[in-house]
Amino acid sequence: AQSVTQPDIHITVSEGASLELRCNYSYGATPYLFWYVQSPGQGLQLLLKYFSGDTLVQGIKGFEAEFKRSQSSFNLRKPSVHWSDAAEYFCAGLPQGGSEKLVFGKGTKLTVNP
Amino acid sequence: NAGVMQNPRHLVRRRGQEARLRCSPMKGHSHVYWYRQLPEEGLKFMVYLQKENIIDESGMPKERFSAEFPKEGPSILRIQQVVRGDSAAYFCASSPPGRVNTEAFFGQGTRLTVV
Repeated sequence: AQSVTQPDIHITVSEGASLELRCNYSYGATPYLFWYVQSPGQGLQLLLKYFSGDTLVQGIKGFEAEFKRSQSSFNLRKPSVHWSDAAEYFCAGLPQGGSEKLVFGKGTKLTVNP
Repeated sequence: NAGVMQNPRHLVRRRGQEARLRCSPMKGHSHVYWYRQLPEEGLKFMVYLQKENIIDESGMPKERFSAEFPKEGPSILRIQQVVRGDSAAYFCASSPPGRVNTEAFFGQGTRLTVV
C-alpha cells in the first residue's frame, strides 16, 4: 500500500539552529512529493514540491528538500530556523499519472525555543 | 484572487444533527477534494469531485456522509446524524483543469465539534 511516514512526531530546536524533518515514502514507483506547513488553526500552505529532475528542491520561506531515491526519502531542511517557523509540517505523496489522492504523513510538530 | 474559502470555520453540532460544510474553490478551479484530519493524525482523503460529478469517493464512510459540487455554487460535504467520532477538521482543496492534485490549494478548514 502507498504510504508516507514521518518518523518524528515532535521536534524542538533553538532559534537560529538548523532543521531537518524526515519523510519516507513507500510507493511502487517514485511519486510526486510535497511538503506542507500548517500553523495552529489554519489551513495547509505548500512549501515545495518534487516532480522530477533536480533532486534538491527550493521552496518558500527559505526551505529546501532533497529527494533521495536510494533511501526513499524526501527530507525538509532549513539552515536557520526562525520563531515564526513553529508549526506542524506534513509530507505528502501523489502517484505519478494516476490517483488524485494525496497521501499524507502524520505530521511533525516543530517547536522553536528563543 | 481569493483563495479556497470554507465556511463555517467552526461548527458545533449535537449528536444526531446534520452538519453541512461548504467549500468555494479558487476562481477558475474545477476540481475539488475533501480531506479529514482527525486529532494527532495527518489528512486523509475523502472524495474528489468535478462540477456535477463525483470522480472518486473511495475515502468516504459508507453511511451518513455525502458530497456534491453543483453546477452553480459551492461544494457541500454533508454529514447526517453526526456522532462524536465525526469531530475533526475538514479541509477542502481545489485545483485548475488539467492540473489535478499537483496544483491543489487548501482552504483553512472547518473544525467540527460534536457534543
